[in-house]
Amino acid sequence: EPEVTQTPSHQVTQMGQEVILRCVPISNHLYFYWYRQILGQKVEFLVSFYNNEISEKSEIFDDQFSVERPDGSNFTLKIRSTKLEDSAMYFCASSEIGKLFFGSGTQLSVL
Amino acid sequence: GESVGLHLPTLSVQEGDNSIINCAYSNSASDYFIWYKQESGKGPQFIIDIRSNMDKRQGQRVTVLLNKTVKHLSLQIAATQPGDSAVYFCADANAGNNRKLIWGLGTSLAVNP
Repeated sequence: EPEVTQTPSHQVTQMGQEVILRCVPISNHLYFYWYRQILGQKVEFLVSFYNNEISEKSEIFDDQFSVERPDGSNFTLKIRSTKLEDSAMYFCASSEIGKLFFGSGTQLSVL
Repeated sequence: GESVGLHLPTLSVQEGDNSIINCAYSNSASDYFIWYKQESGKGPQFIIDIRSNMDKRQGQRVTVLLNKTVKHLSLQIAATQPGDSAVYFCADANAGNNRKLIWGLGTSLAVNP
């Protein structure tokens, strides 16, 4: 069964550093998403991406965040200058029509 | 604004019993809902979905009920097994055309052997 793949599974970084979280969505999907989940809290929408552009973003997704689809398979989330409060599990998802399929997540720890 | 909420944060059941997990939503225009299961350390996994033109939908050991009048849906798991232990989220998938999900807080289901 096709799946969404995320790397790395864990990322530790120093405050102020840049991180790039990587995702390989399911190949025939057209819609891509990033969500995050702070420990013990609900999953939060960050951004949706369609047709090579951001279609919607939340207030969390400020100027420190960016997304890119650098080639036909990868979908990345970049945080330019990480803050302590960026520590969370970041999930990538993709969809064709209807239901979203999620990756296993990248646990980001900002020290 | 939109919100989706769970009535109970935790649910403990005996193996073999049926489980019922509830969820309320606020957007009366919502027409598509999804239940996800999240096991520890993993991403949300699709369980079942339902559109607003239906009141009930059944899958393998799972049933989702939708009551649009009171904006409530539930997930029923028959003959609950230890492998069903996870956090269950309902999500409103009608937030615009982007299929952005509005998530509930989640209910942690613990199955006792």
